[in-house]
Amino acid sequence: GIQVEQSPPDLILQEGANSTLRCNFSDSVNNLQWFHQNPWGQLINLFYIPSGTKQNGRLSATTVATERYSLLYISSSQTTDSGVYFCAVCLQTGANNLFFGTGTRLTVIP
Amino acid sequence: DGGITQSPKYLFRKEGQNVTLSCEQNLNHDAMYWYRQDPGQGLRLIYYSQIVNDFQKGDIAEGYSVSREKKESFPLTVTSAQKNPTAFYLCASSIIHADTQYFGPGTRLTVL
Repeated sequence: GIQVEQSPPDLILQEGANSTLRCNFSDSVNNLQWFHQNPWGQLINLFYIPSGTKQNGRLSATTVATERYSLLYISSSQTTDSGVYFCAVCLQTGANNLFFGTGTRLTVIP
Repeated sequence: DGGITQSPKYLFRKEGQNVTLSCEQNLNHDAMYWYRQDPGQGLRLIYYSQIVNDFQKGDIAEGYSVSREKKESFPLTVTSAQKNPTAFYLCASSIIHADTQYFGPGTRLTVL
C-alpha cells in the first residue's frame, strides 16, 4: 500500500515562531488533505490540496504532486496551534478513502 | 447546524460483548467512512460506503460490521471477534468522487 511519511514527528516552538511540516507519499494521489487534531480528538480540516498552493490566514500549504510531497507552513504560531497535524492522501485509483501519516505533534509554548 | 454526530462520546464494554457506535450526518453526503485511531498513530480505514445499501471493507475490517440502510446513518458494530477493540473511532463523510472528508467528534471505546 501507499506510504505516507510525516516529519518531524515532534516539534516544540516558542509562541510567535514559524514552522514547516512535511508530508512525503509514495504513489500518485488525487486528494491530499491536511488536518489538525485538537486535544479532544476532533479532526479539523485545514486544506484540501492535491496540487498547488493555498493560504488561510496564518496557515498555508503547498503540494508538489510530481515530486510526491506536501508542506504545511504555520506562521506566527499561537498556543492554540498545539495538537497533532496529519497529512492524508487518496490514491488516484480506487475509492475515495484516505491513507493517513502518523502525524506531527506540535507544542507551542508561551 | 449541518455536520456529523457520533454517539456515545465514551463507551465501556466488557470482553465478549458486541457494541454499536452511531454515526449520523445531515450534509447530504453520499459517502461515509469509519476509521480507527490508536494512541500515537494515524487513522486506519475500517469500512466505507459510497451509496445506500452498499459498503466495502477497508484495511482493518476483521471483527467489525456495518450497515447503510439510510443515507444519513452508518453505524459500526464492534463484535467480540475484534481482538483489540480499545481505540478511538472516527466517522467521516464526503461527496462521492470529490474531495474533502469531514469528520465527526469520535467515540472512545474501552474494553474492560
